[in-house]
Amino acid sequence: KAGVTQTPRYLIKTRGQQVTLSCSPISGHRSVSWYQQTPGQGLQFLFEYFSETQRNKGNFPGRFSGRQFSNSRSEMNVSTLELGDSALYLCASSSTWDRVGETQYFGPGTRLLVL
Amino acid sequence: AQSVTQLGSHVSVSEGALVLLRCNYSSSVPPYLFWYVQYPNQGLQLLLKYTTGATLVKGINGFEAEFKKSETSFHLTKPSAHMSDAAEYFCAVFNNQGGKLIFGQGTELSVKP
Repeated sequence: KAGVTQTPRYLIKTRGQQVTLSCSPISGHRSVSWYQQTPGQGLQFLFEYFSETQRNKGNFPGRFSGRQFSNSRSEMNVSTLELGDSALYLCASSSTWDRVGETQYFGPGTRLLVL
Repeated sequence: AQSVTQLGSHVSVSEGALVLLRCNYSSSVPPYLFWYVQYPNQGLQLLLKYTTGATLVKGINGFEAEFKKSETSFHLTKPSAHMSDAAEYFCAVFNNQGGKLIFGQGTELSVKP
């Protein structure tokens, strides 16, 4: 099975712009989670989608949003970019969301640099 | 609330030496614990996980971890380090209420020849 794929892998934007990142989960997986990784804050949960519905959301401002399509692919959007949004954005997929301890499989990430 | 603490942001060992990466958790419910590894410019790869049952969990690449409830620990070990083990290692607990992983700050492992 192919793993989780994320596009693009690298992105450079300027402050005030918006960006959309894409994630394709492992075939058959219906849950997609997004995490932000920075040197200062570490790995932080952004949100999680299952069957096109946002099930859980982390403590991030409303500039961060996402969606999931019927084929389970997911996108996240960040509007009005700030320098502090520079990070590695990781997507993870799992087969379901409500089975406790379900393994999340991570993609390679999209590295976003905001200038 | 659940949390994870990894003791030591950087650990250095010699090739062939024992690897011990420490992880302590806080959880009011039975925890589901994970160890992930991240190589440079890559995502996270699952090493092993503990859900229920046997407290000694074996993972990939010769790593294992032992769940000790009395010590609220889930330390990662490998008997003999290899140069290819150099990476960053993350311990995480699954948050039942939020459906998310809560990660420790990570431990960077260096392996000296």
